[in-house]
Amino acid sequence: AQRVTQPEKLLSVFKGAPVELKCNYSYSGSPELFWYVQYSRQRLQLLLRHISRESIKGFTADLNKGETSFHLKKPFAQEEDSAMYYCALRGHNYGQNFVFGPGTRLSVLP
Amino acid sequence: ETGVTQSPTHLIKTRGQQVTLRCSSQSGHNTVSWYQQALGQGPQFIFQYYREEENGRGNFPPRFSGLQFPNYSSELNVNALELDDSALYLCASSSPWGSGADNEQFFGPGTRLTVL
Repeated sequence: AQRVTQPEKLLSVFKGAPVELKCNYSYSGSPELFWYVQYSRQRLQLLLRHISRESIKGFTADLNKGETSFHLKKPFAQEEDSAMYYCALRGHNYGQNFVFGPGTRLSVLP
Repeated sequence: ETGVTQSPTHLIKTRGQQVTLRCSSQSGHNTVSWYQQALGQGPQFIFQYYREEENGRGNFPPRFSGLQFPNYSSELNVNALELDDSALYLCASSSPWGSGADNEQFFGPGTRLTVL
């Protein structure tokens, strides 16, 4: 069964501190992994995807197939990073749906 | 280019009633997915429509049904509403499968449904 877990409901860090939001998944095969973000009073939007190997707003995420993890990291958190973060996966086959984790609320304190 | 829109914004219904939620996809997108997001949880996939056909469904009962129209807009219908159906309902549109951009979903603002 496809499943995404995010162990932390809430993560608070001080501005300038490193941040890591954890994501683990279970999937029989090689899924595509994503991080979505929802800022206050805004809609859910894509932050980054593992296949792009990109850094967006200073965030990176590495897919670790051995540990089935896709943790989101940023070396120096900013107050504007405060938001709700959702990890999601999707299979490669046609019609495969997205499976979202429960989300982690990141609060960056001044 | 217009983004995904949903209507209504909020809705209050009583148990046993029926509800229809509407979604207009982003320009150029022919795939629409619907999600239910209960309070404190991540979005849960309900179903997806591609070219007016359902081509994927999550673990939701048949009283959740949908439609997609030739202009790719979509409806979510829920019959015999239950208290647990109270949630934010999200619609997301994406590019055609295989286009290379099909793995990015663009979400609407959601419809908040309250069942009393």
